[in-house]
Amino acid sequence: DQQVKQNSPSLSVQEGRISILNCDYTNSMFDYFLWYKKYPAEGPTFLISISSIKDKNEDGRFTVFLNKSAKHLSLHIVPSQPGDSAVYFCAGYFLEGTNAGKSTFGDGTTLTVKP
Amino acid sequence: GAGVSQSPRYKVAKRGQDVALRCDPISGHVSLFWYQQALGQGPEFLTYFQNEAQLDKSGLPSDRFFAERPEGSVSTLKIQRTQQEDSAVYLCASSLAGRKQFFGPGTRLTVL
Repeated sequence: DQQVKQNSPSLSVQEGRISILNCDYTNSMFDYFLWYKKYPAEGPTFLISISSIKDKNEDGRFTVFLNKSAKHLSLHIVPSQPGDSAVYFCAGYFLEGTNAGKSTFGDGTTLTVKP
Repeated sequence: GAGVSQSPRYKVAKRGQDVALRCDPISGHVSLFWYQQALGQGPEFLTYFQNEAQLDKSGLPSDRFFAERPEGSVSTLKIQRTQQEDSAVYLCASSLAGRKQFFGPGTRLTVL
């Protein structure tokens, strides 16, 4: 059972436009959701997170929205830049309980920003 | 150090060989995580340390996999009697507070 799903393997947008990356989850017990960005031959890099009790978190060009009733979150990048081209992973994180410390990742979405 | 380092970066093993993968976390980071990433998939949790204590090893796929962090800093992931299905990128991450993890570049293991 994949608890975190990213249903779009790839996304292509024009430079300057908005990129919207989506993520669905099944486990309501996640305490945080995180987005990581990964370039080839490198490890993932933390981008932004959101607490499960919030519905929005913003950091510069990056905004994450959480819809708990739909068990859905999205990452908005505005404006998109060619350097944003990478694989983006969504992850759910348990802060407490028997799974404390664990992160569960989706399979990633490859974003290509065209100049 | 500046970031999490892992060695070797690439490892080719013959089926049945034992391998040891090393992770040097960011100095002072209490938590250390190991993940396995198959091609085209996201990282999958293997195990988690807080200092030298292994708090969760539920993700280790079999008893051929063993991880240690004896002094609460450097960690080693050991795989005994490697099989072809063990071929993957093994990622190490460290963290000060838990949820924000800093990843190393990974070790790509290929088992022939």
